[in-house]
Order: sequence, then structure tokens, then C-alpha cells
Amino acid sequence: DADVTQTPRNRITKTGKRIMLECSQTKGHDRMYWYRQDPGLGLRLIYYSFDVKDINKGEISDGYSVSRQAQAKFSLSLESAIPNQTALYFCATSDPRRGGAEYNEQFFGPGTRLTVL
Amino acid sequence: LAKTTQPISMDSYEGQEVNITCSHNNIATNDYITWYQQFPSQGPRFIIQGYKTKVTNEVASLFIPADRKSSTLSLPRVSLSDTAVYYCLVEDPSGNTGKLIFGQGTTLQVKP
Repeated sequence: DADVTQTPRNRITKTGKRIMLECSQTKGHDRMYWYRQDPGLGLRLIYYSFDVKDINKGEISDGYSVSRQAQAKFSLSLESAIPNQTALYFCATSDPRRGGAEYNEQFFGPGTRLTVL
Repeated sequence: LAKTTQPISMDSYEGQEVNITCSHNNIATNDYITWYQQFPSQGPRFIIQGYKTKVTNEVASLFIPADRKSSTLSLPRVSLSDTAVYYCLVEDPSGNTGKLIFGQGTTLQVKP
């Protein structure tokens, strides 16, 4: 079984709809992240969480919100979806204690392809 | 976080060694250099990380000169399955951000 899972894998929705993307992990990591990727571009950070009580905005948080329901679960919501939020969304986890102080390896889920019409 | 610059694309043939260079002129003392690989429709995957000189693992080698303003990812004897986007990042793993900043990456196309 995959360590980081995302649901749904694909979603088509209409402008103005509320959408929730879910991420679950079995790695036992405290840190979780949400990124979006647009065609031909790298990943951009939306939100990140270092533990259940910690939520931080990334570089493109406008139009998004998140919920860290448990250590293993981190959800991303689009309150009112718009077409320019059409993108590939990735969840990731990391454990800064892993592999020594210099490692911050992030483990990514398979992605959710979201289309907003 | 330091910005990185790398070629947008590269072509190679099976069996060749591929070197992808990344510039990071503003790298800070506490920053490490990290490379990720991304296949189409998949999330990025950590390849290698280093601070200075040379690091080698089962997948690649990373060469970092003394001034650390650039680095080179070396993939020995590539195969078709190495076709992917490769991202160079600089980060301070000991910091409290945990954030990674991905640029456009280098799209490597390996041809038969």
C-alpha cells in the first residue's frame, strides 16, 4: 500500500462549487504539505502543517483553506472553485528527524488532477 | 530561500552519462542542495542531497564546487526510464520552515 494517498485522483467540477481534496499518510510523519503544479511549471506551496495544531500559509494560499484532522490526515479545500485553480495537486509529508539533521526529504502522494469548468 | 537556475530541457541517448548543472549564486551557509525527480503524472521523488564536494548513491552523483554557487547532478548510463523532470532545490533543513521551492526543473528526454 502507498504511504501517502490522495483522494480523489481526478475531479471535474464547476465554477463556484466547494471542493475538498484529502490526503492520508501512514508514514507517521508530523509535517504535511499541499502543492499545486501547473503545466510546464514546478510545484508551488499552498499550505503546510508541522503538527495537528500548526497550520501555515505557503506562497499561494489565497482561495484555499486546509484542515489537519489528525497527524495522518491533511485536507485541502477550495471554498468556491474557479477555473484558474485547474491544476495537479500534490500532498507531501516529511520528518525532519529522519536520516539526520540535514535531511528534509519530502514524500509525495500520487496527485489529484482537478479541473474547474 | 536561494533561487536556482537550470536548463529547461536536455536530450540524451541510452547508455550515456548525463550531467545537469544548477546555479545557485545566493546559496546561504546553512543551505543544502537537493535534487528531485518527477515522472509524468507522479509526485516528485528525492534523488540526492549534498552540502559540499561529492555525494554518490545508487542512483546518481552530486558534484558541488568549493564556492557552492553551482552543482551538477550526474546520472550514469541513462536508460529510457530516466526520462523525467529533474528539480534542483536549495534548502536549510535545519530551519523551521521545511518548505521546498521548486523551479521549472530540467526536462530530460532519453532517446533510444
